[in-house]
Amino acid sequence: DTGVSQDPRHKITKRGQNVTFRCDPISEHNRLYWYRQTLGQGPEFLTYFQNEAQLEKSRLLSDRFSAERPKGSFSTLEIQRTEQGDSAMYLCASSPTGVAYEQYFGPGTRLTVT
Amino acid sequence: AQSVTQLGSHVSVSEGALVLLRCNYSSSVPPYLFWYVQYPNQGLQLLLKYTSAATLVKGINGFEAEFKKSETSFHLTKPSAHMSDAAEYFCAVSSRPSGNTPLVFGKGTRLSVIA
Repeated sequence: DTGVSQDPRHKITKRGQNVTFRCDPISEHNRLYWYRQTLGQGPEFLTYFQNEAQLEKSRLLSDRFSAERPKGSFSTLEIQRTEQGDSAMYLCASSPTGVAYEQYFGPGTRLTVT
Repeated sequence: AQSVTQLGSHVSVSEGALVLLRCNYSSSVPPYLFWYVQYPNQGLQLLLKYTSAATLVKGINGFEAEFKKSETSFHLTKPSAHMSDAAEYFCAVSSRPSGNTPLVFGKGTRLSVIA
């Protein structure tokens, strides 16, 4: 069990550019979640997957955001035409399927849009 | 919709003193509740969880929390604070009663420990 990993850990980009983040969950975990955390706030849910199926998307996930989990393993989160308001920590979490399982979080990707 | 309220954005205690971080939830049915800790520039680490078994839940690092349905509370306590406990603490509830669903987090409480 190597834990949830995220890449990159930090990303600085200019407004209008596209960025992509990667999340590698714990290997046997079927569920994968994306959250966004802004300064001084708790994480807010963005979207989640059961294997390769995207089960739910938050209204926070505007049409500039897209997430995939093509083979049910790693996932990517892409933000197109970044805005300064997208600056945040993007957290990935994974869990086994089952009612009472907790989510295991990765270290996050900190995005700064200049 | 489920929601969580953490009373006090910042709590400061002396080393060795009792730690009490407050969390109230709103849910129409007994929820799944969690406490996570976050150290600077890191992800979240689970401290403990309530899944409708025992109402007093023991977690890691000497923390525990008591589920009180009548008060819709799930406060986090530790008898004796240590300098290493200084961090941000988040209470969270499963967004739906079925569990293992997206979490709804409180805004967090920053714990400072004074030597």
